[in-house]
Amino acid sequence: DGGITQSPKYLFRKEGQNVTLSCEQNLNHDAMYWYRQDPGQGLRLIYYSQIVNDFQKGDIAEGYSVSREKKESFPLTVTSAQKNPTAFYLCASSTAPGAYNEQFFGPGTRLTVL
Amino acid sequence: AQSVTQLGSHVSVSEGALVLLRCNYSSSVPPYLFWYVQYPNQGLQLLLKYTTGATLVKGINGFEAEFKKSETSFHLTKPSAHMSDAAEYFCAVSWYEKLTFGTGTRLTIIP
Repeated sequence: DGGITQSPKYLFRKEGQNVTLSCEQNLNHDAMYWYRQDPGQGLRLIYYSQIVNDFQKGDIAEGYSVSREKKESFPLTVTSAQKNPTAFYLCASSTAPGAYNEQFFGPGTRLTVL
Repeated sequence: AQSVTQLGSHVSVSEGALVLLRCNYSSSVPPYLFWYVQYPNQGLQLLLKYTTGATLVKGINGFEAEFKKSETSFHLTKPSAHMSDAAEYFCAVSWYEKLTFGTGTRLTIIP
């Protein structure tokens, strides 16, 4: 059964610690995306990758880092430099980068920094 | 640059009544437009999309949307609301490989 897996669903960390959120897809999609969702603000793009070993900053990349070493995996690291990391994080993928391609979303990870 | 405005952050309708969720967009090129639905603590699911061709687009769960270029709108409708429609709805416009989302409309269904 194809889809996008994000783990864990809930994550708690102390302030000042880096944390890595996992995103895996078995849809054979080329493009992958990370979004941050805050109440009343919709989804904001953090990073995206159109192909393995390549990625671009989105609208709110400061304090985050990513890697794309494998086609199926696109982990997101929330660093201590991110001033307000508590949020709901969503990973998505699409068959190829392109305006007409729909994005498929994972179930999300809710990060709480204490 | 692309942008999306969703009018009304909260909409309440009675069960069986018409659902109308509003979306206006700004785009410098012919847009590709999407509606997504999100249930609590879950990811987003595509309801429907407009790329080219017919301006009335039908989606899942009885929803449809009409692309009106002259009004730069892509409103989402459903003739008869069901309790299971309670969720948050996002309109999005595509810009090359990126999606720009509206701030969402939370739909409440009144029994």
